[in-house]
Amino acid sequence: QSALTQPASVSGSPGQSITISCTGTSSDVGSYNLVSWYQQHPGKAPKLMIYEVSKRPSGVSNRFSGSKSGNTASLTISGLQAEDEADYYCCSYAGSSTFLVFGGGTKLTVL
Amino acid sequence: QVQLQESGPGLVKPSETLSLTCTVSGGSVSSGSYYWSWIRQPPGKGLEWIGYIYYSGSTNYNPSLKSRVTISVDTSKNQFSLKLSSVTAADTAVYYCARVPYDFWSGSPLYYMDVWGKGTTVTVSS
Repeated sequence: QSALTQPASVSGSPGQSITISCTGTSSDVGSYNLVSWYQQHPGKAPKLMIYEVSKRPSGVSNRFSGSKSGNTASLTISGLQAEDEADYYCCSYAGSSTFLVFGGGTKLTVL
Repeated sequence: QVQLQESGPGLVKPSETLSLTCTVSGGSVSSGSYYWSWIRQPPGKGLEWIGYIYYSGSTNYNPSLKSRVTISVDTSKNQFSLKLSSVTAADTAVYYCARVPYDFWSGSPLYYMDVWGKGTTVTVSS
């Protein structure tokens, strides 16, 4: 059982937009702007897509955006492309006892 | 372009100690700008943060693993390492090393992993 809750799967057609939610508590997502998102293709290492809730690393497409409201963070992918099909994980700082917690992951299918 | 590469035995017996090393190339573990972390992923499951270390030797660990984990750094070899003791089948996973940026203003890591190794599979079995 993961500390952060994500939907097991989401899907969308090419060109559409999808949003993946990541629900935590007031002890993690709700208290810190330290949420990050990772993309993982099968058999590959995770790749950082979003950090500090909404910042994009250099080289990541601006089709990827992040936000947070209360205890829930969200990753939105606009203009879906076939290459976006992957697993996505959220991660949050959870204080100086627990440090880092991950969500269970969401499988994105591009129809 | 910094790269990280995990290495170590792919098979460990139950009750023994798992030992892995992460070699950093194109950068330095002695750089005060980063922490260095270990993360694992059991087969078909999600990611789990294990812990991280600063070049000074300062560490923090996942509370659920803290009693069995040791992370160390060898600046002379530009490497950092993971030891996990008393392993069971539940420790079977792909183990990743990763880099965590450091915030000089707060004096803390920034709690996201910006560069990852490719991962190494460790199976715990007799």
